[in-house]
Amino acid sequence: DQQVKQNSPSLSVQEGRISILNCDYTNSMFDYFLWYKKYPAEGPTFLISISSIKDKNEDGRFTVFLNKSAKHLSLHIVPSQPGDSAVYFCAASLYSGGGADGLTFGKGTHLIIQP
Amino acid sequence: KAGVTQTPRYLIKTRGQQVTLSCSPISGHRSVSWYQQTPGQGLQFLFEYFSETQRNKGNFPGRFSGRQFSNSRSEMNVSTLELGDSALYLCASNREGDTGELFFGEGSRLTVL
Repeated sequence: DQQVKQNSPSLSVQEGRISILNCDYTNSMFDYFLWYKKYPAEGPTFLISISSIKDKNEDGRFTVFLNKSAKHLSLHIVPSQPGDSAVYFCAASLYSGGGADGLTFGKGTHLIIQP
Repeated sequence: KAGVTQTPRYLIKTRGQQVTLSCSPISGHRSVSWYQQTPGQGLQFLFEYFSETQRNKGNFPGRFSGRQFSNSRSEMNVSTLELGDSALYLCASNREGDTGELFFGEGSRLTVL
């Protein structure tokens, strides 16, 4: 039973355009969401996060949107750059009280930026 | 500052054997978590340790165990290895209070033959 789903295993976007990565979740108790980026042969690195009390968080070229009623979040990358080519994981946490309470990850979306 | 260090990076074992993986967290980080990554299941949470105590555990059989030492270094052990245990095992650390923001090591790639 997958509580965090990334339905697109891969996504190809032209350099300079917007990349939109989607994530759906089923557990309404999740109240903190994160995106991680992973290059081959490296561990995942934290990208951006959002608390359930917000609907948008922005950090440079990266913006995460949260729609709680739809249990859906998305990561927007504008403009997309070749270095953005990586696997992106969506993750959710049961409460934002701190500490690693066992993140639930999606299976990832492989983003490929075409020159 | 040094990142999360995992050893060994690669190892090959046979079914029935046991394996121990090691993780040194970032200095000052007291929480260490372990995740298993496989192509079919993605990243799955194994367990989390804080101050030498297991604080949280994922849905894995008892063959998977871990511990944390007083210097926050952690080890995980898998006994009676099965073919399906072949995976990348990732260790992550964070400071208490850093909501979910984990710092991952490069992982230990285990192959079970």
